[in-house]
Amino acid sequence: DTAVSQTPKYLVTQMGNDKSIKCEQNLGHDTMYWYKQDSKKFLKIMFSYNNKELIINETVPNRFSPKSPDKAHLNLHINSLELGDSAVYFCASSQDRTGETQYFGPGTRLLVL
Amino acid sequence: AQKITQTQPGMFVQEKEAVTLDCTYDTSDPSYGLFWYKQPSSGEMIFLIYQGSYDQQNATEGRYSLNFQKARKSANLVISASQLGDSAMYFCAMREGWTNFGNEKLTFGTGTRLTIIP
Repeated sequence: DTAVSQTPKYLVTQMGNDKSIKCEQNLGHDTMYWYKQDSKKFLKIMFSYNNKELIINETVPNRFSPKSPDKAHLNLHINSLELGDSAVYFCASSQDRTGETQYFGPGTRLLVL
Repeated sequence: AQKITQTQPGMFVQEKEAVTLDCTYDTSDPSYGLFWYKQPSSGEMIFLIYQGSYDQQNATEGRYSLNFQKARKSANLVISASQLGDSAMYFCAMREGWTNFGNEKLTFGTGTRLTIIP
């Protein structure tokens, strides 16, 4: 049973396209996150949601729009994709806003051509 | 200033030896948590171990232990009896302001690539 799942695992697309990445967790957690890992393996927070409410929005271009239809899902929509958006995007979840441990999904490898 | 510093970009260790991966952190918050994650070549992020700033004892999880030296602001990961499957990237991370909502994010170091030699 996968705890935090993401789809798709790989995404190759052209510059200018719009794409979405989906994330689901079956851990009953209240808080979910999106992180970006760049080509140098550096991981940085993008967004965090708690019970469908946005609580963290780091300095991310507004082409990136997270959506949380319920607390088990946090999707990431990216408009007008750029070459620099190529990265691995990780979804994570924790029990609540004070949850000690964040559990990560398998990652989505996005390549923009 | 870097919040999390991992000074070893790469390490090579003989199988069965113990290995210490260094991590130092910078925070003025009295309440924080420190984490280690493993990222094998397959790409997933695997949680290994956690240490809270108020924990009196060093955390241990199987072959993993965290050498927490609060005064020195270091949180080194020790892997005992290394195995070939330990070859991976290892990331140290910190969450500050444990009781402050809005600080739920993890700040990561740049990682250490560990290679276990047979």
